[in-house]
Amino acid sequence: SQQGEEDPQALSIQEGENATMNCSYKTSINNLQWYRQNSGRGLVHLILIRSNEREKHSGRLRVTLDTSKKSSSLLITASRAADTASYFCATADAYSGAGSYQLTFGKGTKLSVIP
Amino acid sequence: GAGVSQTPSNKVTEKGKYVELRCDPISGHTALYWYRQSLGQGPEFLIYFQGTGAADDSGLPNDRFFAVRPEGSVSTLKIQRTERGDSAVYLCASSFYAGPRGGEQFFGPGTRLTVL
Repeated sequence: SQQGEEDPQALSIQEGENATMNCSYKTSINNLQWYRQNSGRGLVHLILIRSNEREKHSGRLRVTLDTSKKSSSLLITASRAADTASYFCATADAYSGAGSYQLTFGKGTKLSVIP
Repeated sequence: GAGVSQTPSNKVTEKGKYVELRCDPISGHTALYWYRQSLGQGPEFLIYFQGTGAADDSGLPNDRFFAVRPEGSVSTLKIQRTERGDSAVYLCASSFYAGPRGGEQFFGPGTRLTVL
């Protein structure tokens, strides 16, 4: 089952603009991660934020986490055409039975950056 | 030093046939995960291995699905009596540690399974 819900489902922006994607989830988490996927194949890890962190940066990426609202946002600044991809948030639950630390993914946001 | 590899990259089979999908994790990664991704959806967890044992198979949809990792490295996902609804991209991921310390999972390119 899907835990996260990304918003919007699709986003189209001009190169150079900022892109913001949001993610909401339902359960208590240990960490939340953002992944990128090109052409429906392998996912690439972008950034991980732990439940006791509120904000994290990596290059042009900025992630925020609000555990009280069970939500996160991913900001990509100064977007490039090469940023065109689907972006997924994934949560690692705080309480995982049998010691499994599976990730629970949302449905993703499809970002198109127009040159 | 390569990443996670999966073979085949594409598999077309007929309804009712048996298929095997292979995953080669990153060397030294003890944790291995299988996910399934249907069109327009995010990946959904199937099974997790810690070493050779399946620590959590709660995501396997039914008993037609089975996975092994006999030597704690390569894993094979096996699907018996395939159905059209099994068509999806099957993704494998590995991580050095299991659990929150490990965090990041490294994904392979996936196997696109099409059941006709």
